[in-house]
Amino acid sequence: AVQLVESGGGLVQPKESLKISCAASGFTFSNAAMYWVRQAPGKGLEWVARIRTKPNNYATYYADSVKGRFTISRDDSKSMVYLQMDNLKTEDTAMYYCTAQLRGWGQGVMVTVSS
Amino acid sequence: DVVLTQTPPTLSATIGQSVSISCRSSQSLLHSNGNTYLHWLLQRPGQSPQLLIYLVSRLESGVPNRFSGSGSGTDFTLKISGVEAEDLGVYYCVQGTHAPDTFGAGTKLELK
Repeated sequence: AVQLVESGGGLVQPKESLKISCAASGFTFSNAAMYWVRQAPGKGLEWVARIRTKPNNYATYYADSVKGRFTISRDDSKSMVYLQMDNLKTEDTAMYYCTAQLRGWGQGVMVTVSS
Repeated sequence: DVVLTQTPPTLSATIGQSVSISCRSSQSLLHSNGNTYLHWLLQRPGQSPQLLIYLVSRLESGVPNRFSGSGSGTDFTLKISGVEAEDLGVYYCVQGTHAPDTFGAGTKLELK
């Protein structure tokens, strides 16, 4: 079964950086596009970023709200996907979910940006 | 960016009732490759989302067949034929045809 486990969340101050990770298992990771989706407290889902597979040149896409501040990456040898978040803002406070093409979802990791 | 408008925002149903949720897109979701990347998710209270329907009408493995999806172009519908207690939660449509991917605002299904 698809298993995704996020880690690395926490409390940071505005303008600081944080890198969250997602460990994948149970499927052929290198064949799957990977996504980060977030959910602010009490709000709906917001797509954050997507990274495609090697045959698609690991192309990346970002929501306008994070473009230029967040970077998605993957390591197929470790079945890991990452989200580097720089210049964090209070509005980035959310639960961040890792998902494999929407089919499998992690339990989420909380990121809180507050002074 | 593509805007997905879901209606209604809240849906009250009794067990066994059939219900439908609409998802309308601000532009056609038909991709140049012939696929329509419109999917439906369910997020139960306190849980991560799960995929129910992908590519408009394809039932994800393990999902009960009381769930069905239909539509084309800009208008899509999720139908639940006989609501069960485990179906309560928030339903989201999501599109992946046009970057960036976008979600609808969600439809909360409650028990009447």
